Amino acid sequence: DAKTTQPTSMDCAEGRAANLPCNHSTISGNEYVYWYRQIHSQGPQYIIHGLKNNETNEMASLIITEDRKSSTLILPHATLRDTAVYYCIVRGEYQTGANNLFFGTGTRLTVIP
Amino acid sequence: EAQVTQNPRYLITVTGKKLTVTCSQNMNHEYMSWYRQDPGLGLRQIYYSMNVEVTDKGDVPEGYKVSRKEKRNFPLILESPSPNQTSLYFCASSWTTGLGLYNEQFFGPGTRLTVL
Repeated sequence: DAKTTQPTSMDCAEGRAANLPCNHSTISGNEYVYWYRQIHSQGPQYIIHGLKNNETNEMASLIITEDRKSSTLILPHATLRDTAVYYCIVRGEYQTGANNLFFGTGTRLTVIP
Repeated sequence: EAQVTQNPRYLITVTGKKLTVTCSQNMNHEYMSWYRQDPGLGLRQIYYSMNVEVTDKGDVPEGYKVSRKEKRNFPLILESPSPNQTSLYFCASSWTTGLGLYNEQFFGPGTRLTVL
């Protein structure tokens, strides 16, 4: 699985859009980009994933660059409850037996009132 | 409500006293897994199970046992806990498909274990 690079921390004003970047320059053609978040020692929570097209769901939007070497998770209207560590994970289309998720250190997003 | 539950949520024990952390999911998921989370080390997989009676080691299996007698349950057993097993533990589950396509994992709320 490709390695990802994320900023250590970010701040965002409440009500504004939070844009969390992720670099994955070694991503291969069949690897997806997944985003999870972890709110203060709770279990990680799946947010969204995509291959090459932009994706949107009720939680967030995922923008993947055309060369697929980077992506941005967008929380359109950040709330205080969005304060969490956000993990960008690159995984192959077909799971291996372990289906192990490499979370890395992620980005600590702090939403400021 | 679809969920993964773990019990206990908090546990303080002493070295050598056997313990079991239970994990249960109500989503009929085939795949279940245990992770531990330690500061600066992220989440590391301990054991996983692809289905009933099918288990395998993850990255850090030493000192742990698991069993998968029923689809919904995947207990984590520490036969002789040691202080280096003090950690935050998460159980996770997901669907699998016949093609092995990756599916998102659902995580339990965590069990904070302290071994004195």
